Amino acid sequence: DVQMTQSPSSLSASVGDRVAITCRASQSISTYLNWYQHKPGKAPKLLIYGASSLQSGVPSRFSGGGSGTDFTLTISSLQPEDFATYYCQQSYSFPRTFGQGTKVEIK
Amino acid sequence: QVQLVQSETEVKKPGASVKVSCKASGYTFISYFIHWVRQAPGQGFEWMGSINPNGGSTNYAQKFQGRVTMTRDTSTATVYMELSSLKSEDTAVYYCARGVASTQGRWFDPWGQGTLVIVSS
Repeated sequence: DVQMTQSPSSLSASVGDRVAITCRASQSISTYLNWYQHKPGKAPKLLIYGASSLQSGVPSRFSGGGSGTDFTLTISSLQPEDFATYYCQQSYSFPRTFGQGTKVEIK
Repeated sequence: QVQLVQSETEVKKPGASVKVSCKASGYTFISYFIHWVRQAPGQGFEWMGSINPNGGSTNYAQKFQGRVTMTRDTSTATVYMELSSLKSEDTAVYYCARGVASTQGRWFDPWGQGTLVIVSS
């Protein structure tokens, strides 16, 4: 199975801050990497697919990059509605696997 | 709009089975796989398996082989996930998600609202 490791596991930031979350795969997954945002009691929401493609309707302050084993999700200017937990997920092989999540909290 | 609507909370005793439904709307049902993912309290996401509504073929995670069954009803555009021999560790929110595939990759979108399954004696 491909293991996905995110860092940090949590972070505190202020509105307007630039935030970066990293995700590392245990083997090369090309660009088969997706990012989701999850808020308590809600369905997870797709933000980025194919490592760097922004899902329709997602604000442009979200961006993704990387390929192979190292990936990054960046929020250019954190907004109040962005406080949530973020997960990376690989779709290179089965079983599909997720990172353990990064909780973004208000400073 | 594309939507997946899941069944309500279930409370089961250890050893019992649970069957969760996921009703699709807003797209051609047989054109997209449906995946099931669960999240135990305080934990991350765990992929359980998928079903191809066009024909009904399935692909289960090894961890759940022999205990999970995914089926579909094309007449109602509904997918079902049945988990048997429930243990307390199966207490989790269970999500269905539509699998999208293109030249740019493969991803889950949208997800259902989740179904809480509580296993307790």
